[in-house]
Amino acid sequence: EIVMTQSPATLSVSPGERATLSCRASQSVSSNLAWYQQKPGQAPRLLIYGASTRATGIPARFSGSGSGTEFTLTISSLQSEDFAVYYCQQYNNWPPTYTFGQGTKLEIK
Amino acid sequence: QVQLVQSGAEVKKPGASVKVSCKASGYTFTSYGISWVRQAPGQGLEWMGWISAYNGNTNYAQKLQGRVTMTTDTSTSTAYMELRSLRSDDTAVYYCARDGDLILVAASPFQHWGQGTLVTVSS
Repeated sequence: EIVMTQSPATLSVSPGERATLSCRASQSVSSNLAWYQQKPGQAPRLLIYGASTRATGIPARFSGSGSGTEFTLTISSLQSEDFAVYYCQQYNNWPPTYTFGQGTKLEIK
Repeated sequence: QVQLVQSGAEVKKPGASVKVSCKASGYTFTSYGISWVRQAPGQGLEWMGWISAYNGNTNYAQKLQGRVTMTTDTSTSTAYMELRSLRSDDTAVYYCARDGDLILVAASPFQHWGQGTLVTVSS
């Protein structure tokens, strides 16, 4: 099983600043990596897929990078609505076998 | 627009079974897979398994093998997830999510999610 490890567990950042979240895979997942945002009481929302492609309707301040085993989600200028939990997910196998990272909580500093 | 509407909250006793439904609309049901994901209170996301809505093929998370069954009813565009021998640590919100286009024969991120179904296991 591919294990996804996110860091840090919690990130405290002030509004308007940049946030950088990391995700590492235990083996290469190529670019088959997605990022989700989840707010309390809501289903996750797809932000990024293919490691770097923004999903429909996602603001340009969200960007993803990386390939293989190391990935990064960057939020360039934090807005109040961006404070949430973020998950990475690999989708490199067929038939589908997905794994999520344990999440990074982005909180207001 | 794509919509996935799940059944309502359930309370079950340990050892019982639960069956959660996920009714799809806004797309051709049999062209996509459905994955199920759960989230225990205050915890992260756990993928449970996948079903092809075209032919019923499944792939379950190893941890749940033998306790979970996923099915579909193409006449009503509904997917089902049944979990048996419930334990207290099965208490979670259960989500269905539309998986990838089956023509591509590739796993896919989840653009569309159901609203979630809270299953509480308590004596």
